[in-house]
Amino acid sequence: QSALTQPASVSGSPGQSITISCTGTTSDVGNYKLVSWYQQHPGQAPKLMIYEVTKRPSGVSNRFSGSKSGNTASLTISGLQAEDEADYYCCSHTTSSTYVFGIGTKVTVL
Amino acid sequence: EVQLVESGGGLVQPGGSLRLSCAASGFTFSTYWMSWVRQAPGKGLEWLANIKPDGSEKDHVDSVKGRFTISRDNAKNSLHLQMNRLTAEDTALYYCARDGVPYGFDFWGQGTMVTVSS
Repeated sequence: QSALTQPASVSGSPGQSITISCTGTTSDVGNYKLVSWYQQHPGQAPKLMIYEVTKRPSGVSNRFSGSKSGNTASLTISGLQAEDEADYYCCSHTTSSTYVFGIGTKVTVL
Repeated sequence: EVQLVESGGGLVQPGGSLRLSCAASGFTFSTYWMSWVRQAPGKGLEWLANIKPDGSEKDHVDSVKGRFTISRDNAKNSLHLQMNRLTAEDTALYYCARDGVPYGFDFWGQGTMVTVSS
C-alpha cells in the first residue's frame, strides 16, 4: 500500500486560505468517504482535525474544512493563523481493511 | 480525561524483539477499536495495526505482517504490540491511538521510541 500523495509544503500569509490536496486511488480515497486529517506540531502527537472527509471533532476550529472529489481529498484552512503552522497528514481507510497515511505537508505561515 | 501512555521502547539489536504496551484510562477501553501508528525520525506517519474491542479481529499493514502482532487485555485496559525480527527500518516513535470516531483516530499517546541498532 503506497502512501497517499500530498504536496511537500504549502505556505500562505496570515488571513489567507490554503488548500492541501491528498491523492490516492480507487482502493482508498476514491472508494470511501473515510478520509481523516491530522495536524502535528513539532515534538507533539498528531491531532485529529477532520474525519469522514468533512466532519470536525468538537473543539476544532471551523476554519478547517474538508472535501473530496474522486481520488483526491482536500483540507482547507481559512483565515490562516500563526498557530496553524504545522505538518498535516491525510489518512484513508482502504479496501484491505487497513489505513494509509499521506506523506505529509508542511504548512508555513509567512 | 482520556489518556494513552505507551511504554516498552528502547534500544534493541537487529533481529531482536520488543513488546510495546499502551495503558489506557479515562474511557471505556473495552468498547473501542485501537491502533498502533509509527513515525520514523523526520518522516511521516505509518499505520501499523488495529484491533477490535473484543480482540476477535485484527488487521496489520503488509510491511509488518508476520513480524508484528497487536493484542489487548481489556481487564487491564492495555494494548500491546509484539515486534519480532526487528530491522533498522523499524526505528521509529510508536504511538497508540484510539479509533474513536468513524475511521479516524481521536486520541493519541505521546509515543515510545524504538531504536534498532547494533
